[in-house]
Amino acid sequence: ETGVTQTPRHLVMGMTNKKSLKCEQHLGHNAMYWYKQSAKKPLELMFVYSLEERVENNSVPSRFSPECPNSSHLFLHLHTLQPEDSALYLCASSQAPGIQPQHFGDGTRLSIL
Amino acid sequence: GQSLEQPSEVTAVEGAIVQINCTYQTSGFYGLSWYQQHDGGAPTFLSYNGLDGLEETGRFSSFLSRSDSYGYLLLQELQMKDSASYFCAVRDQSYQKVTFGTGTKLQVIP
Repeated sequence: ETGVTQTPRHLVMGMTNKKSLKCEQHLGHNAMYWYKQSAKKPLELMFVYSLEERVENNSVPSRFSPECPNSSHLFLHLHTLQPEDSALYLCASSQAPGIQPQHFGDGTRLSIL
Repeated sequence: GQSLEQPSEVTAVEGAIVQINCTYQTSGFYGLSWYQQHDGGAPTFLSYNGLDGLEETGRFSSFLSRSDSYGYLLLQELQMKDSASYFCAVRDQSYQKVTFGTGTKLQVIP
């Protein structure tokens, strides 16, 4: 596999459920990101990881909990989400934090019931 | 804080040229990037300008004027497959992250 892979592609969950989004990159990059994309809004940066260390947390509610066990894998653990959290969640990677280009996965379309 | 402004929608004819503008207000500046995103797809990188001037990659060119806090993406010989959303993005003094604009939805018509 090449590039950035996200699973699942679609997720429907209730507000009391716990689920996790997974991202894997096969590019040898040292930085990984989570973004939220809602309709008619710019991509919102959520978290930045550099070599498994979180370097940026963009005032994200605690119901979103990231985990980076190694430089190739990134998770977003979801718990007690709200309807306004329904969005496309995109993972990206780059050689180093902030360096262009960023390579994006296809995203997880999340719907909160 | 930082903000980036782009037109929300642009319509152009197949075979024509279209320019998508981006103005930004940021604390510090370390480069302007452009990304393309088709409906249901992932954003893909198109170009990067770190210095003033024009960068050309095939049918796509990108321009930057740091003194004007302004850049644009130029698409030539438009094709139907160019219909997509285009985002400008700036790396600012928070050098570890990139801020994206709201995107311009380009519709190419026959």
